[in-house]
Amino acid sequence: GIQVEQSPPDLILQEGANSTLRCNFSDSVNNLQWFHQNPWGQLINLFYIPSGTKQNGRLSATTVATERYSLLYISSSQTTDSGVYFCAASNSGYALNFGKGTSLLVTP
Amino acid sequence: DAGVIQSPRHEVTEMGQEVTLRCKPISGHDYLFWYRQTMMRGLELLIYFNNNVPIDDSGMPEDRFSAKMPNASFSTLKIQPSEPRDSAVYFCASRRSSDTEAFFGQGTRLTVV
Repeated sequence: GIQVEQSPPDLILQEGANSTLRCNFSDSVNNLQWFHQNPWGQLINLFYIPSGTKQNGRLSATTVATERYSLLYISSSQTTDSGVYFCAASNSGYALNFGKGTSLLVTP
Repeated sequence: DAGVIQSPRHEVTEMGQEVTLRCKPISGHDYLFWYRQTMMRGLELLIYFNNNVPIDDSGMPEDRFSAKMPNASFSTLKIQPSEPRDSAVYFCASRRSSDTEAFFGQGTRLTVV
């Protein structure tokens, strides 16, 4: 299956700062998603983005499929953005493979 | 739609007991997935179904684990007998087709003592 690598593994930000999370994947994909796991353990869908760019409020994501990476941008971070961000990818109808996540802490 | 529904939310059981986790996928979704999350191994796929048929069960740890999908609206993951190392959060997810977004349930936190 597809290998998914995320960086950085940990990130500490002050409220108001911007950040970029990266996801590299080992093969072509037809499904790529970003999730936020909140402190209660829920996996929240952020973006479905096998290619192109999307924006949702302070968050945006870009996937460059030909170069096998995706980026998640968080602008003007808030304490509620804390948690773990996962990238997951798959191709040809297979199940999503998850990266190890980026653990984000936003301090007041 | 209410989303993917899992039950129970929490389960504490003694070693050796049988545990059954339940999942109701989103209506109209043809794919159903079971994942397990632990600190050591992260989120790993256990098994997934397409149109109620198991497609890949290579992630099922051993014969103590079994999963069924008797119809399009219900799936179970059974562990018999349970062991302390099975303690984890078990997630169920579903998606409409191979190239669409997957949605996750709230998970079942299993503790085997």
